[in-house]
Amino acid sequence: QVQLQESGPGLVKPSQTLSLTCTVSGGSISSGDYYWSWIRQPPGKGLEWIGYIYYSGSTYYNPSLKSRVTISVDTSKNQFSLKLSSVTAADTAVYYCARLLSYNWFDPWGQGTLVTVSS
Amino acid sequence: AIWMTQSPSLLSASTGDRVTISCRMSQGISSYLAWYQQKPGKAPELLIYAASTLQSGVPSRFSGSGSGTDFTLTISCLQSEDFATYYCQQYYSFPPLFGPGTKVDIK
Repeated sequence: QVQLQESGPGLVKPSQTLSLTCTVSGGSISSGDYYWSWIRQPPGKGLEWIGYIYYSGSTYYNPSLKSRVTISVDTSKNQFSLKLSSVTAADTAVYYCARLLSYNWFDPWGQGTLVTVSS
Repeated sequence: AIWMTQSPSLLSASTGDRVTISCRMSQGISSYLAWYQQKPGKAPELLIYAASTLQSGVPSRFSGSGSGTDFTLTISCLQSEDFATYYCQQYYSFPPLFGPGTKVDIK
């Protein structure tokens, strides 16, 4: 059973870069059927898809965040990562990683990690 | 771009009630729709995909229907563990989008 776990700093200063890693266990990130995704949820608000990556390194980003987002993959560590640059308070959110089945639905999800942008 | 709405945004119900949540699209998406349940402090969990296919392990009191622009999530007999927020998600077109959510709370 595949499980995902986010890790990274819980506090980032404004204008800096948010960096998170998702570790996949119970399955290979190199499975050809899946894309590996980042989704966020501001406190008390809804879900926003950030982007996803294929194990080969192909990436797809939300147009609204594309200029600030980089997602990368390390197949040797079974991990993928998110970098979001020039953060502001509006980027404060719970960040989830999730597995995407072939451009379809997200399952399973990591437990999420709260990242607060504050000085 | 596709727009998604969910109604109601808040639904107050009692254990045992039959509950219906609507998800409406600004354009047709065939059956490319999923439903998720999110409990407070937890990650969303997949309930239904392809508009009406129940994810493995999800209780049969949950069902989904619809195609095109109008979709429905039904809980046939609400249980205490079903009080949560429910989101629909379209995967017909890029980018994948989530609806604004429907919170089901205790009446």
